[in-house]
Amino acid sequence: AQTVTQSQPEMSVQEAETVTLSCTYDTSESDYYLFWYKQPPSRQMILVIRQEAYKQQNATENRFSVNFQKAAKSFSLKISDSQLGDAAMYFCAYNSGAGSYQLTFGKGTKLSVIP
Amino acid sequence: EAQVTQNPRYLITVTGKKLTVTCSQNMNHEYMSWYRQDPGLGLRQIYYSMNVEVTDKGDVPEGYKVSRKEKRNFPLILESPSPNQTSLYFCASSLLQGRSGANVLTFGAGSRLTVL
Repeated sequence: AQTVTQSQPEMSVQEAETVTLSCTYDTSESDYYLFWYKQPPSRQMILVIRQEAYKQQNATENRFSVNFQKAAKSFSLKISDSQLGDAAMYFCAYNSGAGSYQLTFGKGTKLSVIP
Repeated sequence: EAQVTQNPRYLITVTGKKLTVTCSQNMNHEYMSWYRQDPGLGLRQIYYSMNVEVTDKGDVPEGYKVSRKEKRNFPLILESPSPNQTSLYFCASSLLQGRSGANVLTFGAGSRLTVL
């Protein structure tokens, strides 16, 4: 079974600084998808960014980018120019892409942004 | 507005009193699923449905039932709730097109359930 590990339960960053959240996963498949979801205090699950494993290029969405290291099975999220609204729980998630629509989530990283 | 609607958003109940959490989507999505979120455990899938009358267990199905009689609705039923089912519940849906990971899940706003 696939597992997703987020080793940082909590992190903090100064406003306007850059922070990187870590995620590693375990899979024997070669074709899959990885996601980062944001959960603010409203509890809504918001998709931040998605990476397809067969694409070499790291995904980017405005201030959010990933460092996808397929061989190392690592998928970190970098948030640049951190804003107060970035404070949230962040979940890394995996989908096998092979017919299963289930997302396997990590345990989450709580990010605090310090003014 | 395209959305997944869950009700109730908050519920406090007692052990053994049957309850249903409703989930409805207006996007004509074939796939629907339920997750529960617990501190330190992330989100775990309870049940999912690939289409009307097609449901299957996820990772933590014990104590739950679901039904999919209509495409838009996917209620979660707790026949005899227990305190260990106190959790935050999410319904989610997506299309079934091409490769599964290409279909992004749309989540509901969550339902906070407390079982005393």
